[in-house]
Order: sequence, then structure tokens, then C-alpha cells
Amino acid sequence: RKEVEQDPGPFNVPEGATVAFNCTYSNSASQSFFWYRQDCRKEPKLLMSVYSSGNEDGRFTAQLNRASQYISLLIRDSKLSDSATYLCVVTPLKSNYQLIWGAGTKLIIKP
Amino acid sequence: NAGVTQTPKFQVLKTGQSMTLQCAQDMNHEYMSWYRQDPGMGLRLIHYSVGAGITDQGEVPNGYNVSRSTTEDFPLRLLSAAPSQTSVYFCASSYEGNTEAFFGQGTRLTVV
Repeated sequence: RKEVEQDPGPFNVPEGATVAFNCTYSNSASQSFFWYRQDCRKEPKLLMSVYSSGNEDGRFTAQLNRASQYISLLIRDSKLSDSATYLCVVTPLKSNYQLIWGAGTKLIIKP
Repeated sequence: NAGVTQTPKFQVLKTGQSMTLQCAQDMNHEYMSWYRQDPGMGLRLIHYSVGAGITDQGEVPNGYNVSRSTTEDFPLRLLSAAPSQTSVYFCASSYEGNTEAFFGQGTRLTVV
């Protein structure tokens, strides 16, 4: 089993819709969680951190479910510019220096 | 403020050739790392450094060397290129190992 798993998609969503996807992780002692965004042929960029209490930034909401070992990302009122690949990142407790990356979920927003 | 500068953007090598990917950051970050990204897989850590003079292996270190003589620079050397090293390579830096990582623009390497 991969340490961090994501549905690769693509998720094809009409503009203005709400979309959500999850990321599961295998190490129950994982410490830190992040969502990164990667545009086609570009470098990843931090979208948001995921806290135990959840995190909201405008149209984006991230949640952590430690009991079921997954994090989620919800995008409301989706825009064409939201089209990208969303990468889930987890930091295992045993190492502070290594981020474990999911393979990403591809999102395509259609007009 | 340039952030993380990575060169070259594209490179084609013949099997057996060697080369160095350059990475420099101007954010005074102690932590730097090299990843490779292959289709259908997450970023995989090749080598990382927690400060000048200190480097360590990541998940896929074979065939690569690194050094960290200064805080700013963290070059990645391919010793003898193989087709299996065809990939996109990213350099990243961060304040700490588990804080926001800032990436260079990537190097698309093809080994023929």
C-alpha cells in the first residue's frame, strides 16, 4: 500500500460547481498535512496547510480525519483557473525532513 | 527576491554521460532537497540537506550525488546517466523540513 494515496482523476467539473476529493495516508503517526497545487508542466506550490481543526481559505476548505486517516479538499464555486493537479503531502512523525507526496488528483473545470 | 533558481530547464543526455543540475536559493533556508517526478507517481526524494556541509539520502538516491558547500547552493550530479533517469527534477528549499517547500521551475531530463 502506498503511504499516501489519491484518486488520479481526472475530475471533470462544470464551472461554478463544488468539488471535493480525498487523500488517504497509511502512517497513523503522521504529523503535518498539506495540499499543493501543480499546474501543467510547472512546479508545485503550497495551496494550504491542513490543521486538526480544519482550514478554510476563501473557496477552499481542507479537513483532517485522523480516525479514518484521510484529508480532504473542498473547492466551492469552482473557476476555470482551478484546473490543475492537487497534491496531498504528509510528514511522518519519525522524520521531520521528508515530505511524502501523493501522485495527485487532476481537476479540469469546464466552462 | 528570486526564490529557488534551477537550471537547466531542459536537457538531453546520452547514456553514460554525466551532468550537474544547479539549484540556488536566496531565502536563507537551511533545508534543501531534490525530487524526481514521474508520471503516475508522487514526488520522490533523491537527496536532501539540513544545512551547509550536511547531506543525506532520500528514497531514490542511487545514481545521484549531492554536496552543500554553501547555504545557497545544492547541486545534483548524475554520475552516469541511464534511461531510467529520464524524469522531471525539482529542487526545493524550506525553512524547516516539514514547512512550506518552495520549488524551482524544474528540469526536464531525457536520457537516450
